[in-house]
Amino acid sequence: DAGVTQSPTHLIKTRGQQVTLRCSPKSGHDTVSWYQQALGQGPQFIFQYYEEEERQRGNFPDRFSGHQFPNYSSELNVNALLLGDSALYLCASSSRGWDETQYFGPGTRLLVL
Amino acid sequence: AQRVTQPEKLLSVFKGAPVELKCNYSYSGSPELFWYVQYSRQRLQLLLRHISRESIKGFTADLNKGETSFHLKKPFAQEEDSAMYYCALRYSGAGSYQLTFGKGTKLSVIP
Repeated sequence: DAGVTQSPTHLIKTRGQQVTLRCSPKSGHDTVSWYQQALGQGPQFIFQYYEEEERQRGNFPDRFSGHQFPNYSSELNVNALLLGDSALYLCASSSRGWDETQYFGPGTRLLVL
Repeated sequence: AQRVTQPEKLLSVFKGAPVELKCNYSYSGSPELFWYVQYSRQRLQLLLRHISRESIKGFTADLNKGETSFHLKKPFAQEEDSAMYYCALRYSGAGSYQLTFGKGTKLSVIP
């Protein structure tokens, strides 16, 4: 099991563009969470998807949206990119139940110019 | 609101010396606390969580609700402990799934 995988590893965009990041959860996991990690900061929760629906959302604007597919993989979409969106975007997967330990992917580093 | 504070950005200790990474939280309910670690060029991984009360790689952490702290300790630091450490909190009630992270502490173990 490769664990949580994310693509692409790096991405460069310009202001105003749109970006889509992808995540495949660890085998056996059905829940995906997305986090944004700015330089020198801890990860910040964007939202979590379970059963193809957004289950909880952090303090991020509507420009950030997501999707979960029937195979549990997920996408994070960011519209109208701002310079401040430059960050490492982390995906974490977990299995619904009493444990729900989150396992993290390697991240996608997004640079907005 | 949930908040996690890690007061030290960088902590340097000599090999064999004791280590304590501080974590304080603010939350009025019953939190779940975690320590995550990120070694160089590796992904963020769970080190330990307070409900399991395990010792992983010689590290322990005790939840002190009176002081709202969850400090990470190890009696004798090893060079391979050099990494970035993040304390995280999750509200344990129904309907809350997000992890709230501190800003992290970089531990450097000097040979």
